[in-house]
Amino acid sequence: AQRVTQPEKLLSVFKGAPVELKCNYSYSGSPELFWYVQYSRQRLQLLLRHISRESIKGFTADLNKGETSFHLKKPFAQEEDSAMYYCALIGFQKLVFGTGTRLLVSP
Amino acid sequence: GAGVSQSPSNKVTEKGKDVELRCDPISGHTALYWYRQSLGQGLEFLIYFQGNSAPDKSGLPSDRFSAERTGGSVSTLTIQRTQQEDSAVYLCASSLSRGPAYEQYFGPGTRLTVT
Repeated sequence: AQRVTQPEKLLSVFKGAPVELKCNYSYSGSPELFWYVQYSRQRLQLLLRHISRESIKGFTADLNKGETSFHLKKPFAQEEDSAMYYCALIGFQKLVFGTGTRLLVSP
Repeated sequence: GAGVSQSPSNKVTEKGKDVELRCDPISGHTALYWYRQSLGQGLEFLIYFQGNSAPDKSGLPSDRFSAERTGGSVSTLTIQRTQQEDSAVYLCASSLSRGPAYEQYFGPGTRLTVT
């Protein structure tokens, strides 16, 4: 069965500190992975997808098939990064989300 | 341009009553999805529509839940005989296609509270 696991419900860091939001997946095929973000009082929106190999707002995520992980990283967190982050997997034509990690960046 | 819209934004209903939630997707988007966002549960897939194909209802939690999409555009999610565990935020999303390369655009959600 396809599954996405985000082990941390809350991650609290200080501004300027590095950030890593963990995501592990379970999927028998070749996965398509995404990170979605929801800022306070805003809609859920796509942050980045692994096939694009892009960096958005300083965030990157590398797919590690050996560890079945897709961790989201940023070297220097900013206060405006505070939000709810969801890792998601497209498998069998469905988008499966993890339970989300709330990132809180303090000044 | 206009994004995905949902109505109502908030709905409070008594246990046992039926509710209808509406979603207006982005014009031209052929795929439409419904999700449920519960505290501590992440986003749970409910149902999706792709063009004129039969909908994938595999995520609906019980037969009290149903959805339809009229004319390939507006969708309505109906919950019959609501229960307190139905309380959640119901999100709608649309995309140009169902393929994984296409980004899903989410609406603001409808917060349903069953008392």
